[in-house]
Amino acid sequence: AQKITQTQPGMFVQEKEAVTLDCTYDTSDPSYGLFWYKQPSSGEMIFLIYQGSYDQQNATEGRYSLNFQKARKSANLVISASQLGDSAMYFCAMRAVGGATNKLIFGTGTLLAVQP
Amino acid sequence: DGGITQSPKYLFRKEGQNVTLSCEQNLNHDAMYWYRQDPGQGLRLIYYSQIVNDFQKGDIAEGYSVSREKKESFPLTVTSAQKNPTAFYLCASSQGERLYYEQYFGPGTRLTVT
Repeated sequence: AQKITQTQPGMFVQEKEAVTLDCTYDTSDPSYGLFWYKQPSSGEMIFLIYQGSYDQQNATEGRYSLNFQKARKSANLVISASQLGDSAMYFCAMRAVGGATNKLIFGTGTLLAVQP
Repeated sequence: DGGITQSPKYLFRKEGQNVTLSCEQNLNHDAMYWYRQDPGQGLRLIYYSQIVNDFQKGDIAEGYSVSREKKESFPLTVTSAQKNPTAFYLCASSQGERLYYEQYFGPGTRLTVT
């Protein structure tokens, strides 16, 4: 079965510091994609970053980077130089080929609070 | 601007009534999805559609129905058979089936049934 696990219900970080949000996944499919989304208090889901299972390098998008460790099945999100506007829920998600659909499977999320 | 619109943002209904949530996209995406989010939980897939006039059940389809008569529109009906309909509902779309296609989400509809 495919599964995403986010073990940190909540995190605090000081403004301008870096923070790592953990994500582990489980799948038997060799081909899969990993996504991170941000959900502010307003509710919309905002796509942040994508990592493919065959990508050789860790994905980066501005202040976001994905620490992809395939052997450990982890895909941690690193936010550098945290800003107050980064305070939100963060969800890790996976899409795998091989099932009836390549649907997105979400973790339970991590609530990040950036402190001034 | 291209995007996904959901209306209304807040919806209140009495128990036993059916209610339809709107989802429209102007991104020219083929695939559309409906998710449900409960407090403290991730998103769970209700229904999805990969092409017009075709849709499939997701993980929690019981008590819900959808239609896909136009590429741009994918309305969700929450029927009286849904035992616990109060939740936050998110609609999404993507270009298609490739792994790296991210899903774009609408602003969501918060449904309260009393």
